[in-house]
Amino acid sequence: GENVEQHPSTLSVQEGDSAVIKCTYSDSASNYFPWYKQELGKGPQLIIDIRSNVGEKKDQRIAVTLNKTAKHFSLHITETQPEDSAVYFCAATKSMRTSYDKVIFGPGTSLSVIP
Amino acid sequence: AAGVIQSPRHLIKEKRETATLKCYPIPRHDTVYWYQQGPGQDPQFLISFYEKMQSDKGSIPDRFSAQQFSDYHSELNMSSLELGDSALYFCASSLARRGLREQYFGPGTRLTVT
Repeated sequence: GENVEQHPSTLSVQEGDSAVIKCTYSDSASNYFPWYKQELGKGPQLIIDIRSNVGEKKDQRIAVTLNKTAKHFSLHITETQPEDSAVYFCAATKSMRTSYDKVIFGPGTSLSVIP
Repeated sequence: AAGVIQSPRHLIKEKRETATLKCYPIPRHDTVYWYQQGPGQDPQFLISFYEKMQSDKGSIPDRFSAQQFSDYHSELNMSSLELGDSALYFCASSLARRGLREQYFGPGTRLTVT
């Protein structure tokens, strides 16, 4: 089955700096890669996603890149703000015939943005 | 916009008791997923339903069962509770028949087994 690894497990950055979280996946059939942000006591919130036919996607201060050959994908947050502090999960899923495949999460990265 | 609703938000049970968790998906969403998250861990997939039929099964104990009803809400039934069942339980929903992959998570139910 799919296995998703994520690094680093913890990350501290100064406010205004950039943060980068990297993930790898094992199943070459995976074709959809969402990223979730989870604040304390809340459910994971989908913040951005990328499909296997796209190499890069950007949404304001957040960008994701995907390298299918290397089975790597990354989250980039620029101009970090204290409210970006949370646990971030990368995830992978595949859909052979349908859209309702389960999501396999990475272990998470705890991001702290220091004011 | 309406989100996924889960009830109850907190639940305290004793060992060997039974618990029922409820999930109300985003309106018009047809697929429900259940995940279990232990302290400091990532969510682990338990089971999912598409159009009221079980679509996938993960690491769900035999003591647990779930179903999706005609109004698309779902219930996770947990029997013979063990201390190790203490965790956050999340429900997520998606609109699979439209080919949309995005799963939206509810706020979770925190289950404590004593």
